[in-house]
Amino acid sequence: KQEVTQIPAALSVPEGENLVLNCSFTDSAIYNLQWFRQDPGKGLTSLLLIQSSQREQTSGRLNASLDKSSGRSTLYIAASQPGDSATYLCAVYSGTYKYIFGTGTRLKVLA
Amino acid sequence: GAVVSQHPSWVICKSGTSVKIECRSLDFQATTMFWYRQFPKQSLMLMATSNEGSKATYEQGVEKDKFLINHASLTLSTLTVTSAHPEDSSFYICSAPVRDRGYEQYFGPGTRLTVT
Repeated sequence: KQEVTQIPAALSVPEGENLVLNCSFTDSAIYNLQWFRQDPGKGLTSLLLIQSSQREQTSGRLNASLDKSSGRSTLYIAASQPGDSATYLCAVYSGTYKYIFGTGTRLKVLA
Repeated sequence: GAVVSQHPSWVICKSGTSVKIECRSLDFQATTMFWYRQFPKQSLMLMATSNEGSKATYEQGVEKDKFLINHASLTLSTLTVTSAHPEDSSFYICSAPVRDRGYEQYFGPGTRLTVT
């Protein structure tokens, strides 16, 4: 059974810091991994999608890497801003139309 | 592209009544949609997979007679919470994967249900 864990559960950093969010999964047989952002009381916004054949994806200040063999993905946020404050979720797709979500990391960037 | 909408965005209903939530894919066809439930400060819990033209697949522990799912077209799935109780109060979110984009998931904005 696939299990997805995110560390840390919460993070508070001053503005401008570079930070790393971690996502680990127990079954390496995944089709893709997706990082999302969720603002309080809102739906999810897709940030980055990494296919199983890829090792990383970049979008602006965000960079996500994937190491299937070790069951890990990291989301790197450069030069963090107060507007980056949100909950970040990773989800793995293992086929059979099942997406399994991680527990989330609540990020707060202080001005 | 790949926009998913939900309606209503929030609803308050009395205990014992039923509530229908709609999930629409606005600019793509979705043969599959997912329904999630989220409690405060918790992650998303998959409730069921909605399949166009066939029965939904429910996750373990989710009562299919209480959470009725209908996926009558390639752009619309509905979730009906029947005989709602206060413990059904939650944030319900739907999503749809886009096959042409490597099954990237797109989420609706969510529906806040409060049962009084």
